[in-house]
Amino acid sequence: QQQVKQSPQSLIVQKGGISIINCAYENTAFDYFPWYQQFPGKGPALLIAIRPDVSEKKEGRFTISFNKSAKQFSLHIMDSQPGDSATYFCAASKGAGSYQLTFGKGTKLSVIP
Amino acid sequence: GAVVSQHPSWVICKSGTSVKIECRSLDFQATTMFWYRQFPKQSLMLMATSNEGSKATYEQGVEKDKFLINHASLTLSTLTVTSAHPEDSSFYICSATRANSPLHFGNGTRLTVT
Repeated sequence: QQQVKQSPQSLIVQKGGISIINCAYENTAFDYFPWYQQFPGKGPALLIAIRPDVSEKKEGRFTISFNKSAKQFSLHIMDSQPGDSATYFCAASKGAGSYQLTFGKGTKLSVIP
Repeated sequence: GAVVSQHPSWVICKSGTSVKIECRSLDFQATTMFWYRQFPKQSLMLMATSNEGSKATYEQGVEKDKFLINHASLTLSTLTVTSAHPEDSSFYICSATRANSPLHFGNGTRLTVT
């Protein structure tokens, strides 16, 4: 049972455009939803995270939108740049202070000039 | 920011030998460390959760006798792949956290078993 479903698998966006990656979860006990960015041969780096008590969180060009009733959350990258080309993973965990994450399958983003 | 260091970054070993991978939290004391495995173009799969001073908790399907985890201090956890075989070739990544803080990942170890 895949607890966090991520789409699309790959995404090509032109420089300056908006990249949108979606995730859906099944377990209503999840209460922490981070997004990670991973470059080839490197470990994931935390980009931004949200908890269910807010519907949106913005940090620079990155925004998480969260829909608790639909059990969905998404990452928006504004003004996408070639340097944003990487694989993005959404994740979820449950329990206060628990960071035992369940990851989505990842989205490979390519930003073309 | 918090830094997690993983060593080595890559290793090649012969089938049947054992390999040890280290994960260190450099500027904080990690109450919990996690070990993941990642196959090419796939997601991270949690292998085990390690708490300092206690036995690791392994995920279903992960052989505890094959993947030995030791978390002897608040800044160091090790993963030993025993009697490695080609199918163990993968990218192994650790992460570390302390109470109420985000998870930080190491840069991974590429293991190739020939």
